[in-house]
Amino acid sequence: DQQVKQNSPSLSVQEGRISILNCDYTNSMFDYFLWYKKYPAEGPTFLISISSIKDKNEDGRFTVFLNKSAKHLSLHIVPSQPGDSAVYFCAASARTSGTYKYIFGTGTRLKVLA
Amino acid sequence: EAQVTQNPRYLITVTGKKLTVTCSQNMNHEYMSWYRQDPGLGLRQIYYSMNVEVTDKGDVPEGYKVSRKEKRNFPLILESPSPNQTSLYFCASSLFGTRNYGYTFGSGTRLTVV
Repeated sequence: DQQVKQNSPSLSVQEGRISILNCDYTNSMFDYFLWYKKYPAEGPTFLISISSIKDKNEDGRFTVFLNKSAKHLSLHIVPSQPGDSAVYFCAASARTSGTYKYIFGTGTRLKVLA
Repeated sequence: EAQVTQNPRYLITVTGKKLTVTCSQNMNHEYMSWYRQDPGLGLRQIYYSMNVEVTDKGDVPEGYKVSRKEKRNFPLILESPSPNQTSLYFCASSLFGTRNYGYTFGSGTRLTVV
């Protein structure tokens, strides 16, 4: 049972336009969410996070939106740049057995066209 | 530089030949974890460790072993590798008790079992 879903395996966007990556989750106990970016031959790197007490978090060109009632989060990249081309994973966590376990989505490959 | 170091980066082995993938972090993190990444399945947790001598199974632990004798090291052991363990493996670490930035990941180990 996939608790965190990224239903779009890939996305292509023109440089300068907005990229919107989506993520859905099923577990209502998740209360902290992160986005990671992964380039080929590298490990995932942290991009941005959001707590369930917020509905929006912004960091430069990156904004994450959380809709708790819909169990949906999205990552907006504005404006998109060719260097943003990577695989993006969303991850969700809930406190479990005294620690925080992250469940990852399957990833969305973003391609920004110059 | 704060980092998680995995070795080797690439490994081709034969079925049944025991192997160890090493992981070391220099950030004094208590929490360490192993993930495997497979197409269409995202990142799945194999084992994790909350501190020295404390390890526990993740979501896909079959066929793997781990040990945590020192805080900085968390090797992944495949006693008798099989072709279905062909995958991309990531080691990750985090500071226990905080989840603001999720995990720091290593660069990955691409394992092929023939």
